[in-house]
Amino acid sequence: EAQVTQNPRYLITVTGKKLTVTCSQNMNHEYMSWYRQDPGLGLRQIYYSMNVEVTDKGDVPEGYKVSRKEKRNFPLILESPSPNQTSLYFCASRKSGSSYEQYFGPGTRLTVT
Amino acid sequence: AQSVTQPDIHITVSEGASLELRCNYSYGATPYLFWYVQSPGQGLQLLLKYFSGDTLVQGIKGFEAEFKRSQSSFNLRKPSVHWSDAAEYFCAVGARTGTASKLTFGTGTRLQVTL
Repeated sequence: EAQVTQNPRYLITVTGKKLTVTCSQNMNHEYMSWYRQDPGLGLRQIYYSMNVEVTDKGDVPEGYKVSRKEKRNFPLILESPSPNQTSLYFCASRKSGSSYEQYFGPGTRLTVT
Repeated sequence: AQSVTQPDIHITVSEGASLELRCNYSYGATPYLFWYVQSPGQGLQLLLKYFSGDTLVQGIKGFEAEFKRSQSSFNLRKPSVHWSDAAEYFCAVGARTGTASKLTFGTGTRLQVTL
């Protein structure tokens, strides 16, 4: 089954404790992206990757890092999480070309205390 | 830069009634336009998309949307709403920016369906 998976689905952590949210897709998509969803703000792009070893900032990259060492994986790293990073995070992937549909993962709900 | 406005934060309709969710976009060229639906606790699912050609597009679950260039709008419609349509709906505009491409989402409209 074609899908985007994220782990963990739920995470509660404390300020400053480094964490990684994994994202994996099995559709051989070139493009992958991370979004955060906050009430009243919709989805905002954090980082995206056009292909392996090619990443770039989205609209809200501060406090986040990403890497793209393999085509299927695109982890989101929070080196020193803060409470303002409490949010619902979505990973998405699609074929290269902006006309293609993005496929979304199920989301990761992160709480930073 | 492109932007999307969904002016209705929350809409309530009765089951069986018709539905229209509004979406206005800002973009300097012909946009790619999408509607996604997010059911509670779920990820986003594509309902329909517009790239070019016929301005009335059909999607899944009986939804349709009409692209109106003169009004910069892409409103989502359904003639008869079912209780299972209760969800949050997001309009998005896709554009090419340099060598990258970007999808910008609206803030969403939450649909409540009363029985």
